[in-house]
Amino acid sequence: NAGVTQTPKFQVLKTGQSMTLQCAQDMNHNSMYWYRQDPGMGLRLIYYSASEGTTDKGEVPNGYNVSRLNKREFSLRLESAAPSQTSVYFCASSEVKRTGNTIYFGEGSWLTVV
Amino acid sequence: AQKVTQAQTEISVVEKEDVTLDCVYETRDTTYYLFWYKQPPSGELVFLIRRNSFDEQNEISGRYSWNFQKSTSSFNFTITASQVVDSAVYFCALSEGYSTLTFGKGTMLLVSP
Repeated sequence: NAGVTQTPKFQVLKTGQSMTLQCAQDMNHNSMYWYRQDPGMGLRLIYYSASEGTTDKGEVPNGYNVSRLNKREFSLRLESAAPSQTSVYFCASSEVKRTGNTIYFGEGSWLTVV
Repeated sequence: AQKVTQAQTEISVVEKEDVTLDCVYETRDTTYYLFWYKQPPSGELVFLIRRNSFDEQNEISGRYSWNFQKSTSSFNFTITASQVVDSAVYFCALSEGYSTLTFGKGTMLLVSP
């Protein structure tokens, strides 16, 4: 099983450029997430989508937009990249059950903004 | 608001030593879930365990064990007879009800031969 797949794995952007991180999951999960990881900060939630057609802001949404294209895909867009958005980005998905909500992560996308 | 504190930034041990990673959480909910994830040097996040707030039974899986204590709001993780392959960053996380995960800042474990 592929699980959660995100692309690209590595990207270098110039300040002001735009780009979209793609994410797809094959586990038929309802919920999907985008997190960023910065040194000493742990993982912080950018946006999430509890189900197809809905999106909500997380802890650090500024500078990002998301699209829940369908149940499988959840993309993250940087409209005008800034050096502060240099980070590792993780897409994740989960199936919310009465027994809990375990989140499974993709392998990460390393983004550098120069 | 939910919060997870991993006070240990970095731990260094020699192979075969036992090591405990601390995790303290804050939540106002009575129903919540606690998690541990492992992030090896390759960067991916690997799910290790989920624990429900209504089940304080400790769990053991091979060399890994978890001690959940509601009285002290702690969910500590012990690796017995550590190995070099255990070197990684370990994250503790909390979810209130069906909400998203809040992560601690992680503990880097270095196991030397």
